[in-house]
Amino acid sequence: GQSLEQPSEVTAVEGAIVQINCTYQTSGFYGLSWYQQHDGGAPTFLSYNALDGLEETGRFSSFLSRSDSYGYLLLQELQMKDSASYFCAVSKGDTGRRALTFGSGTRLQVQP
Amino acid sequence: DTEVTQTPKHLVMGMTNKKSLKCEQHMGHRAMYWYKQKAKKPPELMFVYSYEKLSINESVPSRFSPECPNSSLLNLHLHALQPEDSALYLCASSQSASVTYEQYFGPGTRLTVT
Repeated sequence: GQSLEQPSEVTAVEGAIVQINCTYQTSGFYGLSWYQQHDGGAPTFLSYNALDGLEETGRFSSFLSRSDSYGYLLLQELQMKDSASYFCAVSKGDTGRRALTFGSGTRLQVQP
Repeated sequence: DTEVTQTPKHLVMGMTNKKSLKCEQHMGHRAMYWYKQKAKKPPELMFVYSYEKLSINESVPSRFSPECPNSSLLNLHLHALQPEDSALYLCASSQSASVTYEQYFGPGTRLTVT
């Protein structure tokens, strides 16, 4: 089987830094993606890690440790518009039958 | 153009109705996906099409029938649905099935089964 675990809720203030952790247990793992979804909106791709280390995209960074089956999304200089749900997702499967499985999501609330 | 469009935005149907959801992308993507999402839950994969062929069916009941008429279009035909099928149905696409990690999602169709 497979499982992904992430905190259900995180609260932070504007301008702060927040880290959303994700641990996974799965076979045939290729990489870890992060998606953002605002209430009533569609999921939006944020980042992807196939190799160990940190990937930086503007205010957002994502980290992966394959040996620890662990990753995190780091959001810096938080803004009110960052209030949303954040999903980690594992990419797994054979070529031609590869798919994403999403974690349960972390609801981030940014307060003034 | 990085947009995936879905129609209709909202759909209310009875348990005996037949309806279809439509999805379109013009990014030249060769993989397309259907997901079901309940409130406060993650998207749940239903079907994957790769190069217009069904490659993954996640044991979805036969009352949901996908169709990929061409590389830009994806349909989901609905028949004899149950109230528990009420959810947000999301379509997504990616460059190919190998690039499944980066998917572009449409806004979804909010389906209510009465």
